[in-house]
Amino acid sequence: QQQVKQSPQSLIVQKGGISIINCAYENTAFDYFPWYQQFPGKGPALLIAIRPDVSEKKEGRFTISFNKSAKQFSLHIMDSQPGDSATYFCAASVGQAGTALIFGKGTTLSVSS
Amino acid sequence: GAVVSQHPSRVICKSGTSVKIECRSLDFQATTMFWYRQFPKQSLMLMATSNEGSKATYEQGVEKDKFLINHASLTLSTLTVTSAHPEDSSFYICSADGYSHEQFFGPGTRLTVL
Repeated sequence: QQQVKQSPQSLIVQKGGISIINCAYENTAFDYFPWYQQFPGKGPALLIAIRPDVSEKKEGRFTISFNKSAKQFSLHIMDSQPGDSATYFCAASVGQAGTALIFGKGTTLSVSS
Repeated sequence: GAVVSQHPSRVICKSGTSVKIECRSLDFQATTMFWYRQFPKQSLMLMATSNEGSKATYEQGVEKDKFLINHASLTLSTLTVTSAHPEDSSFYICSADGYSHEQFFGPGTRLTVL
């Protein structure tokens, strides 16, 4: 029940295309859903996060869509660029201070130019 | 934005020695810090949760006597890998609880044990 399932494992998108990564969770107590971007040899960087009181959040080219009834959330990267090539992790937690994040297994995105 | 630093970024040591990794929150106070381990092409594995002024809480399967964690102040947590062996070679990453429960990660420390 603590798992966060992420798909696909890897993704190849052409420059200018839309990258879509999906995550699903079981624990209905989760109420904080961040996405992290990680480049090789670096720590993860917080990209965008959503709480279940909204169904969508957009920041620049990055959008999170959230479906509470289906217990799913997804990351959409519009106009994908080669610089977006990285590993993306979804995560979830109970939104209290001091609570650890549960991470998905990650998606390696390659944007071809 | 919130910045978390780690030192050192890379360390190579001989088998049997101990290595200390520092994690600092530079522009905010963090009551809670987390330590993760990451193997190549894998996700982050939570090792322990570190609370300022109290003992760390370790995840199942993580040896607390091998991975010593100290959170002496609201801006510093340390991870000491004692009697390191080659199988301890990994990428160690810390994170700190920031504003509104956002977690900010350090740049990671690459440990290689020969």
